[in-house]
Amino acid sequence: SQKIEQNSEALNIQEGKTATLTCNYTNYSPAYLQWYRQDPGRGPVFLLLIRENEKEKRKERLKVTFDTTLKQSLFHITASQPADSATYLCALMAGANNLFFGTGTRLTVIP
Amino acid sequence: NAGVTQTPKFQVLKTGQSMTLQCAQDMNHEYMSWYRQDPGMGLRLIHYSVGAGITDQGEVPNGYNVSRSTTEDFPLRLLSAAPSQTSVYFCASSSLGETQYFGPGTRLLVL
Repeated sequence: SQKIEQNSEALNIQEGKTATLTCNYTNYSPAYLQWYRQDPGRGPVFLLLIRENEKEKRKERLKVTFDTTLKQSLFHITASQPADSATYLCALMAGANNLFFGTGTRLTVIP
Repeated sequence: NAGVTQTPKFQVLKTGQSMTLQCAQDMNHEYMSWYRQDPGMGLRLIHYSVGAGITDQGEVPNGYNVSRSTTEDFPLRLLSAAPSQTSVYFCASSSLGETQYFGPGTRLLVL
């Protein structure tokens, strides 16, 4: 069956360090992989999209890698800040624009 | 632009009651979708639409109906509410092949 796993439910890191979140998938051949941020009581907000033929994408302090051989994406936040504390969701796009989500990793950045 | 709007924000229903969750977008997006989010399950696709007059089922469509008579609106109908439908519901829209914009969500409690 198809599965999208995010490595841990919760991750605590010290302010200023790099946070690394993992997304693994099985039985998908996604055209795109996306990362979203979700704050409590709010809808997900798009952060980055990476296509199957791209290895890496950056946006300010964020970096995403995509390894279709390992079926894995890594999401990095460098120089993390308490304001980065949120739940981060990875999502695969398959079919007619449909997204399939992992369960998310709740990141807490400790001052 | 208001983006994606959802009403109501919160609703309590009794088992067997019916209701409609409203979703509207003002970005002229072809694609609209409904997700439900449950603890430990992630976001799951209920129904989606790639344009006015076209709808299709997602992963968990049972107990829900949709219609798309205009580009802007995509209501989700619960025909006979069940406690298993207690969840947070998110509507999303996008241009085809592009990132999705999510609404703020509707919290539904079925007693």
